[in-house]
Amino acid sequence: DTGVSQNPRHKITKRGQNVTFRCDPISEHNRLYWYRQTLGQGPEFLTYFQNEAQLEKSRLLSDRFSAERPKGSFSTLEIQRTEQGDSAMYLCASSLLDRDNYGYTFGSGTRLTVV
Amino acid sequence: GESVGLHLPTLSVQEGDNSIINCAYSNSASDYFIWYKQESGKGPQFIIDIRSNMDKRQGQRVTVLLNKTVKHLSLQIAATQPGDSAVYFCAETPSYGKLTFGQGTILTVHP
Repeated sequence: DTGVSQNPRHKITKRGQNVTFRCDPISEHNRLYWYRQTLGQGPEFLTYFQNEAQLEKSRLLSDRFSAERPKGSFSTLEIQRTEQGDSAMYLCASSLLDRDNYGYTFGSGTRLTVV
Repeated sequence: GESVGLHLPTLSVQEGDNSIINCAYSNSASDYFIWYKQESGKGPQFIIDIRSNMDKRQGQRVTVLLNKTVKHLSLQIAATQPGDSAVYFCAETPSYGKLTFGQGTILTVHP
């Protein structure tokens, strides 16, 4: 297993367009998280899944954002009608809900630039 | 709301020195803490973690100290190397759910 994989690495889009990012977690991890990070800040929580169930969504997550994890494996994050303020690094992480090992491993992120 | 913060936004050290990065957290319900290293253009990389039933944990060249009384976490890096230059974040979670991050400390190691 090569860790958490995110695609694409970079995305440039025009304001108003829709974009979709994909995250492939570590295969045995049952939890998957999405974070957003802007320059000079720590990652901000957006949402997370346990298996295919979306357990929590941040108030930061406007109705233009939607995330899915249909089969409890990979996840997608879609942003509709992108705005310049959506420009950020979008990070995915996965973890294992286990008494002895949790993981919390991050991918390399998708850098979104809205022009 | 609850948050995790860092005292020092930047830290410059000489190669071979020991580095100490501090973090204050405010959520008394937090029971699991992680230190991450993030290099430019990359995702956070796990360094070391500690559970709330411990006050110290050691790894390879790194030690994390947890003081629950004053809600303080620190990361000690021994014999700091230029490759340690990065942004360091602490993160916390209650009940092993979502992580909450601080703003980060920029560590610069001069050869």
